[in-house]
Amino acid sequence: QQQVKQSPQSLIVQKGGISIINCAYENTAFDYFPWYQQFPGKGPALLIAIRPDVSEKKEGRFTISFNKSAKQFSLHIMDSQPGDSATYFCAARFSGGYNKLIFGAGTRLAVHP
Amino acid sequence: NAGVTQTPKFQVLKTGQSMTLQCAQDMNHEYMSWYRQDPGMGLRLIHYSVGAGITDQGEVPNGYNVSRSTTEDFPLRLLSAAPSQTSVYFCASSYSRSGRADTQYFGPGTRLTVL
Repeated sequence: QQQVKQSPQSLIVQKGGISIINCAYENTAFDYFPWYQQFPGKGPALLIAIRPDVSEKKEGRFTISFNKSAKQFSLHIMDSQPGDSATYFCAARFSGGYNKLIFGAGTRLAVHP
Repeated sequence: NAGVTQTPKFQVLKTGQSMTLQCAQDMNHEYMSWYRQDPGMGLRLIHYSVGAGITDQGEVPNGYNVSRSTTEDFPLRLLSAAPSQTSVYFCASSYSRSGRADTQYFGPGTRLTVL
């Protein structure tokens, strides 16, 4: 049973468009929600993260929206660029002190010029 | 800083063979973990360690062993490889306690094929 559900599995966006990836969770014992970006042949790298006490966090073209009551969070990529083409993973961390993450299944994003 | 390093980059095994995937970090991180990545399954936690001498199971620990004798190294052992263990394996490290520094740093991965 996947504790963090991510959708869509794949996404095609035109250059300059908005990419939106959604995640949902069931367990309320999560205290930190990061998004990781992975390019082919590379390890994932932290892109942006949010804690449940805020509803939105923005860093450049990347924004996380967080809905605590609905147990959902999403990544928005504004003005998507071909260089954003990668696989994106949402994750959630168990509260209790240790940095133990559970990941979603991933979304493969392709931005066409 | 080299960050998180993994060896080998690629490996082919026959069913029943054993091997050790190496992982090292030079950031003095307490927390280290192993994930496997399979298409459509995301990254699944195999084992993790919160410090030297302390390890625990993740979501998919069966068929894998770990130990942590030093802060820097966290090897993953496959005792008797099975085709179901064909995957890409990632090691990651971070500070252990939340709030200090949350970012997990991943290595470049080891692509393992079991025939």
